[in-house]
Amino acid sequence: EGQLVESGGGLVKPGGSLRLSCAASGFTFSSKSMSWVRQAPGRGLEWVSSISSSSTYIYYADSLKGRFTISRDNTQNSLYLQLNSLRAEDTAVYFCARDTGVPPTFFDCWGQGTLVTVSS
Amino acid sequence: DIQMTQSPSTLSASVGDRVTITCRASQSISTWLAWYQQKPGKAPKLLIYKASNLESGVPSRFSGSGSGTEFTLTISSLQPDDFATYYCQQYNSDFRTFGQGTTVEIK
Repeated sequence: EGQLVESGGGLVKPGGSLRLSCAASGFTFSSKSMSWVRQAPGRGLEWVSSISSSSTYIYYADSLKGRFTISRDNTQNSLYLQLNSLRAEDTAVYFCARDTGVPPTFFDCWGQGTLVTVSS
Repeated sequence: DIQMTQSPSTLSASVGDRVTITCRASQSISTWLAWYQQKPGKAPKLLIYKASNLESGVPSRFSGSGSGTEFTLTISSLQPDDFATYYCQQYNSDFRTFGQGTTVEIK
């Protein structure tokens, strides 16, 4: 069925950087596209970025303006999100999610999320 | 980007009620729509995909319909476990977008 566990969140100052990780288990990670979705406190869900199974195709939300970088390591069954030039509005819970096929698709497995707080 | 608009934002209902949530897309998305349920502090859970297909393990009281720009999620008889926030999501575009959410509260 699958399990996703995020880590790497925390408190960071504006302008700082953070690297989020997502450890996958229980399914063939290397055959699945993966995504990051975030949720600001008390707000709705916002798709952030997606990466295809072999990293050939990568997509980002326009609002990120090149500050975030998604990557994956299929040998480690891991997904990553590098967050740079962080702003207060990036404060959110970041979820790792499994795509059901080649993007664009929907998400059938989610992690529990990791909280990123951007504050001085 | 394709904008998704849900209505209502909040819905008060009682156990046993029939509940309908609407999701409208800013342009046609065929049937490339999913619905999720989210409870406080938890990850979203997939309920419906391709507008009307029930995800395995989801109770049959949940159903989805629609195509083009207008979609609905219906709960035929609201149960205590169904009080939560519901989101629609389009996947017609590479840049996927969610509705703003509909919270179903206890009346």
